[in-house]
Amino acid sequence: EVQLLESGGGLEQPGGSLRLSCAASGFTFSTSAISWVRQAPGKGLEWVSAISGTGYNTYYADSVKGRFTISRDNSKNTLFLQMSSLRAEDTAVYYCAKDGQSPDARMVRGVFDYWGQGTLVTVSS
Amino acid sequence: EVELTQSPATLSLSPGDRATLFCRASQSVGGSYFSWYQQKPGQAPRLLIYATSIRATGVPARFSGSGSGTDFTLTISSLQPEDFAVYYCQQDYSFPLTFGGGTKVEIK
Repeated sequence: EVQLLESGGGLEQPGGSLRLSCAASGFTFSTSAISWVRQAPGKGLEWVSAISGTGYNTYYADSVKGRFTISRDNSKNTLFLQMSSLRAEDTAVYYCAKDGQSPDARMVRGVFDYWGQGTLVTVSS
Repeated sequence: EVELTQSPATLSLSPGDRATLFCRASQSVGGSYFSWYQQKPGQAPRLLIYATSIRATGVPARFSGSGSGTDFTLTISSLQPEDFAVYYCQQDYSFPLTFGGGTKVEIK
């Protein structure tokens, strides 16, 4: 059974930093691209960042480029999102989502067949 | 960036009705890079349709997708009580990946 479990959310002040983690199981992690997708309270879905199975290829939304860094540890089946220079508008539930259609471990497709339950990040003073 | 506009914002229907949801892209995304997701309150989204018309594993046959270029449609042939939810379209044609604003299907 595929499982994705996010952690690391919480309350942080504007300008602060947080590191989110996503522990994966039930599939071959090292060959699967993974994304972070967020949802502000009462709002729609916003894709944040993606990383290929190898970790060599990464992509970011303009709204987080230069502030967030996606990475992965394939030896521990874990995905990370390092968030810095946090803003109020970063307040959201952050989901990790497995890419089900990546042709190979070097590529990202962006079709999300499994999602975690999310971790809430609140940026407020 | 490809912008996705969903319509209507809200669809008020009764169980057994046919639901038709629309999504328009700001530029062509071809015919194989389009997905639909369902989200219920307090839950993570669930993949329904990918590559425009392929149902994800376990998705009932009453859900179908169609379209190409800039105009895409999700159809629910006969609404079941568990289908009342918010539906999002999404393109994976180009980065940044983008979602539509959502259509809420509510009970009339």
